[in-house]
Amino acid sequence: DAKTTQPPSMDCAEGRAANLPCNHSTISGNEYVYWYRQIHSQGPQYIIHGLKNNETNEMASLIITEDRKSSTLILPHATLRDTAVYYCIVRVVHNFNKFYFGSGTKLNVKP
Amino acid sequence: NAGVTQTPKFRILKIGQSMTLQCAQDMNHNYMYWYRQDPGMGLKLIYYSVGAGITDKGEVPNGYNVSRSTTEDFPLRLELAAPSQTSVYFCASSYSPSGLGFYEQYFGPGTRLTVT
Repeated sequence: DAKTTQPPSMDCAEGRAANLPCNHSTISGNEYVYWYRQIHSQGPQYIIHGLKNNETNEMASLIITEDRKSSTLILPHATLRDTAVYYCIVRVVHNFNKFYFGSGTKLNVKP
Repeated sequence: NAGVTQTPKFRILKIGQSMTLQCAQDMNHNYMYWYRQDPGMGLKLIYYSVGAGITDKGEVPNGYNVSRSTTEDFPLRLELAAPSQTSVYFCASSYSPSGLGFYEQYFGPGTRLTVT
């Protein structure tokens, strides 16, 4: 599975959009991009996933570049409760053994 | 639904002791997983199961054992605890009707284990 690179931390003002980047330049054609977050040592929480098209759900939007070498998770109106570590993971969907979380990005939402 | 539950929440073990971390899910998920998370690090997969009676090793299985006798339960056994096993342990489950994979894992609240 491809490795990912994320900035260790980011700040965002409350009510503004939070844009979290992820680089996965070695991604292969059958690998999905997943985003999870972990709020203050709780169990990780699934946010969104995609293969090559942009995706949106009630929590966030996922923008994947056309060459699939990078992606951006967008929280449209960040709140203080969105302060968490955000993990970008790439994985072949049927590869149960390979789900590397890495170190993620600590998003600090400030009032 | 309670989702994924884990017991205990906290535990302190002495070196060489053994214990079982319990994990249960009530969502009828076929896949279950055990992860560990060391301070400031991401999660690492210890063991996983694709259904009752079927288990397999993950990235860091040494020092642990699992069993899956029912769909609901997936206990993790630590034999001869060592300080290196001090960590937070997360259990997770997911569902794949086709058996070809999964998209979303549901995580339990974790068990914080200290070995001294």
